[in-house]
Amino acid sequence: DSGVTQTPKHLITATGQRVTLRCSPRSGDLSVYWYQQSLDQGLQFLIQYYNGEERAKGNILERFSAQQFPDLHSELNLSSLELGDSALYFCASSAQRDRGLDGYTFGSGTRLTVV
Amino acid sequence: AQTVTQSQPEMSVQEAETVTLSCTYDTSESDYYLFWYKQPPSRQMILVIRQEAYKQQNATENRFSVNFQKAAKSFSLKISDSQLGDAAMYFCAYRRSEGAQKLVFGQGTRLTINP
Repeated sequence: DSGVTQTPKHLITATGQRVTLRCSPRSGDLSVYWYQQSLDQGLQFLIQYYNGEERAKGNILERFSAQQFPDLHSELNLSSLELGDSALYFCASSAQRDRGLDGYTFGSGTRLTVV
Repeated sequence: AQTVTQSQPEMSVQEAETVTLSCTYDTSESDYYLFWYKQPPSRQMILVIRQEAYKQQNATENRFSVNFQKAAKSFSLKISDSQLGDAAMYFCAYRRSEGAQKLVFGQGTRLTINP
């Protein structure tokens, strides 16, 4: 157990639907990052939240949104789903330290399949 | 924007032999961190080794070591005495040094270990 919890582990849904992926960061970590990994591809950065506020945004589609709640868990909302959205979605967390050599702690991912 | 390039989509090595995975990156920053992550078939992201750019000494973790060439912007991973459990996708990643920053990943190298 890495300390980062992602639910659900697997999700199968139809095109046009909306889903919510959930992430609970490691205890004490204030930053949450969302990444998308399509089949046999690298991880693409979607969005980062720090202590409830959006900190950085990557190539996240307008159909996707996220938020971080006061208890620091985060949700990634994917709407109007398309076949191409099928991927593994990772959440990672890190502590906020200047010049810290913190690797990130990754969750085990949510496998989304759009049919 | 920073980019990370892994030019070897696939590599294979005989068990007990040594293999080197290549990674180059592009950045205008002088201080940053570099990482190698391993992703086995379970899809979990596992930190293998990390390097601080301002440290000239190459990082080593047991059978894993890096060759960090800052001027050439090269960060290769050497795996000695390869074991069957080393079979996985390996991702090189870059991160700016200040505060909590996103990781920028390469496209990955699939490593196969031949018994």
